[in-house]
Amino acid sequence: DVKVTQSSRYLVKRTGEKVFLECVQDMDHENMFWYRQDPGLGLRLIYFSYDVKMKEKGDIPEGYSVSREKKERFSLILESASTNQTSMYLCASSSQGGPYNEQFFGPGTRLTVL
Amino acid sequence: SQQGEEDPQALSIQEGENATMNCSYKTSINNLQWYRQNSGRGLVHLILIRSNEREKHSGRLRVTLDTSKKSSSLLITASRAADTASYFCATDHTGGFKTIFGAGTRLFVKA
Repeated sequence: DVKVTQSSRYLVKRTGEKVFLECVQDMDHENMFWYRQDPGLGLRLIYFSYDVKMKEKGDIPEGYSVSREKKERFSLILESASTNQTSMYLCASSSQGGPYNEQFFGPGTRLTVL
Repeated sequence: SQQGEEDPQALSIQEGENATMNCSYKTSINNLQWYRQNSGRGLVHLILIRSNEREKHSGRLRVTLDTSKKSSSLLITASRAADTASYFCATDHTGGFKTIFGAGTRLFVKA
């Protein structure tokens, strides 16, 4: 079974802190994604990556950065957390052949910024 | 926005009844997927239907796609309490490079 794990289920941080969200997949997938999910807005893509050291902006990249140093790991970084970044963050991965394949999701990290 | 829109936003039914959820989108697609999300968890892929397909079945799930109306429906037959979840449609658009998720339908199945 594909497994996508995220470093924390719940996280509470203070405004201005630097926040790292880690995602690891064990299926050798080339594609990895970071989404945030807010009530009534569905999933919005923050960043995605098609390969190691490669990243592309999604719909809402402002205030976020990412890192993909190894194929299995995709990190989301909030350089200076703000209260409007309080949200559920979901990581996903999929195999090559473009993004038109089934995405496998992690359990999510619910981040609260105070 | 190319975002798919699910309808209804919320649905409450009795166990054993059928549940139908609809999804509409705005631009041409390569395929459409349905995902389920249990409360506070990640999404789980249910079924994918390609643009040249009109209907697909998987167990108690039936998905239809009408590209002329830019809409899809997900039917869950003989629903169970364990089907209580949010259901999302996700579209991969022609000329696009990412999957676009709708806001979801919250389904509640009463035992």
